[in-house]
Amino acid sequence: SYVLTQPPSVSVAPGKTARITCGGNNIGSKSVHWYQQKPGQAPVLVIYYDSDRPSGIPERFSGSNSGNTATLTISRVEAGDEADYYCQVWDSSSDWVFGGGTKLTVL
Amino acid sequence: QITLKESGPTLVKPTQTLTLTCTFSGFSLSTSGVGVGWIRQPPGKALEWLALIYWNDDKRYSPSLKSRLTITKDTSKNQVVLTMTNMDPVDTATYYCAHSVVVVAANLYYFDYWGQGTLVTVSS
Repeated sequence: SYVLTQPPSVSVAPGKTARITCGGNNIGSKSVHWYQQKPGQAPVLVIYYDSDRPSGIPERFSGSNSGNTATLTISRVEAGDEADYYCQVWDSSSDWVFGGGTKLTVL
Repeated sequence: QITLKESGPTLVKPTQTLTLTCTFSGFSLSTSGVGVGWIRQPPGKALEWLALIYWNDDKRYSPSLKSRLTITKDTSKNQVVLTMTNMDPVDTATYYCAHSVVVVAANLYYFDYWGQGTLVTVSS
């Protein structure tokens, strides 16, 4: 089965840049999608197709994907960005796969 | 405007079968490239994909739970139903349904709209 590995936590000061990684075997050959989940709420899609943003998602959110690592980058971090972030891919043997999630803390 | 809402029991006993219904609006599950999936999240834990049904009635299941899951759709009612047999306390979780976008040629499979989720507790 295909496994996605995320760091459990990332901390960043307001106004700085946060980078959340998602590791997987040759993940660069797959399309990676990212979800933001705030406490008590359903997940929200923030990046799809590696680096595209849905309507309404700030330009501060961006994504990249190459080799064995995909990265969600949040620029000029705000307190409201504090949340759990999950990466997701589709794999031919495992179908829909989520990473273990990363808790972003804004210091 | 796409919306989804989960409904079903909040409490089930061990060994019982759970039946959850996802009622949606704003799209048709007979439209090519559309799917509805179920994802769960135990308290304090990560998201776990369970099952998905595509517009063409293709059904996919999590390999680890495949023997316990059944997903069906009623296009006329705009509903998708998930059943999970032999429930156990470890199945206690918030269960979400979500609208999926599927573009096979581009290897694009993601969830763009989610329901609010429903908490299911398994306890005797």
